[in-house]
Amino acid sequence: DIQMTQSPSSLSASVGDRVTITCRASQDIKNSLAWHQQKPGKAPKLLVYTASTLENGVPSRFSGSGSGTDYTLTISSLQPEDFATYFCQQSYSTPITFGQGTRLEIK
Amino acid sequence: QVHLLESGPGLVKPSETLSLTCTVSGGSISTYYWSWIRQPPGKGLEWIGYVYHTGSTNYNPSLRSRVTVSVDTSMNQFSLKLSSVTAADTAVYYCARVVNTLSILYFDVWGRGTLVTVSS
Repeated sequence: DIQMTQSPSSLSASVGDRVTITCRASQDIKNSLAWHQQKPGKAPKLLVYTASTLENGVPSRFSGSGSGTDYTLTISSLQPEDFATYFCQQSYSTPITFGQGTRLEIK
Repeated sequence: QVHLLESGPGLVKPSETLSLTCTVSGGSISTYYWSWIRQPPGKGLEWIGYVYHTGSTNYNPSLRSRVTVSVDTSMNQFSLKLSSVTAADTAVYYCARVVNTLSILYFDVWGRGTLVTVSS
């Protein structure tokens, strides 16, 4: 199985801050990476797929980048509605695996 | 806009079979893959498996011996059966639509999830 190591596991930030979350795969996953946002009691929401493609309707302050084994999700200017948990997901090979999640909290 | 809704018992006894259904509304179940994912309390997400609208499946090897995912196109639903459950199967179970872009799979629509507790 491909292991996805996500960091940090939690992060405190303020509205307006720039935030970066990282996922490292245990092998090259050739951009087969997606990022999702999860809020308590709500359905998770797809943000980015194929490492850097923004899903329709997702604000442009979100961006994804990376290649090989290392990928990042960046939020350029945090908004109040962005405080949530974020997780990555690889689909280069089955079983599909996820990062452990990053909980983004208000400082 | 496509919506997914999980349904099924919230409590299952050990050694019995967990059965959940995901109802797809706002779109057809045809032409996509459909998946189940779970998240035990305080833990990360685990992919369970997916089914294509034709009925073909792919399962997580860690659960393959106990899992069946099936699709009912006439009802616009797909289902999960997990047999011989233990307390370790207690989790929030999500259903999700799977998009296949140049063999890259990702989940573009998710249900809200349903908590299933395994306890006597």
